[in-house]
Amino acid sequence: QKEVEQDPGPLSVPEGAIVSLNCTYSNSAFQYFMWYRQYSRKGPELLMYTYSSGNKEDGRFTAQVDKSSKYISLFIRDSQPSDSATYLCAMSHTTSGTYKYIFGTGTRLKVLA
Amino acid sequence: DAEITQSPRHKITETGRQVTLACHQTWNHNNMFWYRQDLGHGLRLIHYSYGVQDTNKGEVSDGYSVSRSNTEDLPLTLESAASSQTSVYFCASRAQGARNEQFFGPGTRLTVL
Repeated sequence: QKEVEQDPGPLSVPEGAIVSLNCTYSNSAFQYFMWYRQYSRKGPELLMYTYSSGNKEDGRFTAQVDKSSKYISLFIRDSQPSDSATYLCAMSHTTSGTYKYIFGTGTRLKVLA
Repeated sequence: DAEITQSPRHKITETGRQVTLACHQTWNHNNMFWYRQDLGHGLRLIHYSYGVQDTNKGEVSDGYSVSRSNTEDLPLTLESAASSQTSVYFCASRAQGARNEQFFGPGTRLTVL
């Protein structure tokens, strides 16, 4: 079983829709939870990060972490064609001096005009 | 502006040849990473370095090597290229002590024939 699971999609939605992207994980030691956005033929760029549980909002984007369920989400409101990209979750922890940073496989999102 | 660059951006080589992919960052980050990205696998860590003269193996290090002679550069060498090493390679860097953001280069698309 992978430490981080993410549905690869693709996910197609109409412009203006609310998008929900999700990841589950198995290791309760993870403390930092990140979402990266990767446009085609580009490197990933950090979109948002959250420490521990809770919500974080940045414009049209909301990141949510539920540590009890080992489940994280990224919500995109009023989605735009420019949001079409692959979204990768990532999470990190430091345990017994060992630092670990793991990526999900990514979900491809297409927002249709 | 600080940045991370990779060269070449595209490379075609033959099985058995030695190939070196360059990575250069001007963030002055101690931590540097090499990943490969393949469909269905996401980003997988090949090698990483926490500073000059420090190198460590990641989860898919067989057939690859790195060296760190200065802060700015972490070249990745494929000792004897194999078709299974056809992939997109990303270099990344992270500030010492940072727990969340990694900065990625634009990627190198390598084809081994």
